[in-house]
Amino acid sequence: EAGVVQSPRYKIIEKKQPVAFWCNPISGHNTLYWYRQNLGQGPELLIRYENEEAVDDSQLPKDRFSAERLKGVDSTLKIQPAELGDSAVYLCASSFDSLFMTGELFFGEGSRLTVL
Amino acid sequence: DQQVKQNSPSLSVQEGRISILNCDYTNSMFDYFLWYKKYPAEGPTFLISISSIKDKNEDGRFTVFLNKSAKHLSLHIVPSQPGDSAVYFCAASATIRGAGSYQLTFGKGTKLSVIP
Repeated sequence: EAGVVQSPRYKIIEKKQPVAFWCNPISGHNTLYWYRQNLGQGPELLIRYENEEAVDDSQLPKDRFSAERLKGVDSTLKIQPAELGDSAVYLCASSFDSLFMTGELFFGEGSRLTVL
Repeated sequence: DQQVKQNSPSLSVQEGRISILNCDYTNSMFDYFLWYKKYPAEGPTFLISISSIKDKNEDGRFTVFLNKSAKHLSLHIVPSQPGDSAVYFCAASATIRGAGSYQLTFGKGTKLSVIP
């Protein structure tokens, strides 16, 4: 069974440029999460989707970040324009429905963004 | 304000000995606790979890202990193996009434090095 797939794995851009990350969750997983992990820190939730609905985007910097999950499957996270402080690893995760049964999120390998 | 704290950034242990990783939390609403393991350039992977109704959960070499009164949990790895060398994240969740999905709050992680 394929895991959570993310692309690109690495991206280097100059500040003020746009960037987009793509995530394909595990088949059948209704819940999708985008996390950001800064160096030396734990992952921090940016947005959570239940199917195609964003049910928690309270920590998403909406002035420059946007996300969508069309048809409740794949998702994209966009930053426009990028700032130096956006350099981080962007992790996508999915779970079947909620964490009720096992508490487990399945993470992708992450997309490492470097803003110069 | 960090709700999940891992105060030891790193830990070194001899192969065959016990590794003990600690985690403290402040939010009394947390009712589910998880440990994730992360290798470099990979996403975190679920290791073990514990519900707040229990004080111990064991899975092979891994045991998690929960002390609710102290708001403290620990992960024991016995015996430690070189392949256990990774960053370990403690995470906690609280049921969101009506939403059906948990939110995971992560600590900063502890880097475990198991010396052969």
